[in-house]
Amino acid sequence: QVQLQESGPGLVKPSGTLSLTCSVSGGSIISDYWWTWVRQSPGKGLAWIAEVSYVVKTNINPSLSSRATVSMDASKNQFSLNLSSVTAADTAVYFCVRRIAATATSGGTFDSWGQGTLVTVSS
Amino acid sequence: QSVLTQPPSVSAAPGQKVTISCSGSHPNIGSKFVSWYQQIPGTAPKLLIYDNNKRPSGIPDRVSGSKSGTSATLGITGLQTGDEADYYCGAYDTSLRAWVFGGGTKLTVL
Repeated sequence: QVQLQESGPGLVKPSGTLSLTCSVSGGSIISDYWWTWVRQSPGKGLAWIAEVSYVVKTNINPSLSSRATVSMDASKNQFSLNLSSVTAADTAVYFCVRRIAATATSGGTFDSWGQGTLVTVSS
Repeated sequence: QSVLTQPPSVSAAPGQKVTISCSGSHPNIGSKFVSWYQQIPGTAPKLLIYDNNKRPSGIPDRVSGSKSGTSATLGITGLQTGDEADYYCGAYDTSLRAWVFGGGTKLTVL
């Protein structure tokens, strides 16, 4: 059973960079899965940020493409998110998630979620 | 404003059946598979349904999903108090080139 665990600062200053790491256990990130970041603003719904795959590189939400980068460190079985120029609107719980890759007969889905970590943007 | 539209809340009595709708458009639900997630407040979302109507291992058959055109529906029968949660639909949007979710529906078991 794969497990994902987010880590990183809980407080980031406005205009700074939010940096989070997801540690994966119970499975290798060198696989056909996509390793994804999803966030949830307080009292709001889910929002997809970006994802990285060992095979096909990265996909970034176009609404965040100028600020978000994702990467992976296979040696540590981790993947990371950097979000630059943050504002209060980036305050949210950030989840790292495993996504099954889509195929011709299957759509791909987010099947394993980390517990989430709250990041607050404030001075 | 979410790309996929869900009712903010639904309610039903224990033992009864409830359905939650998810309305989209051709670039998302109309041409892609739909998933459903359950989120108990303060916890991470949990996958309930994928590929419109498939259940992952461990999800009981009283949970079902369907899709017609640009809408999808989640159904739960034999409601239990433990089903009280927020439910989200999700799909890929080929126009936005992004994974999108509904705004969530709060289920209350009266």
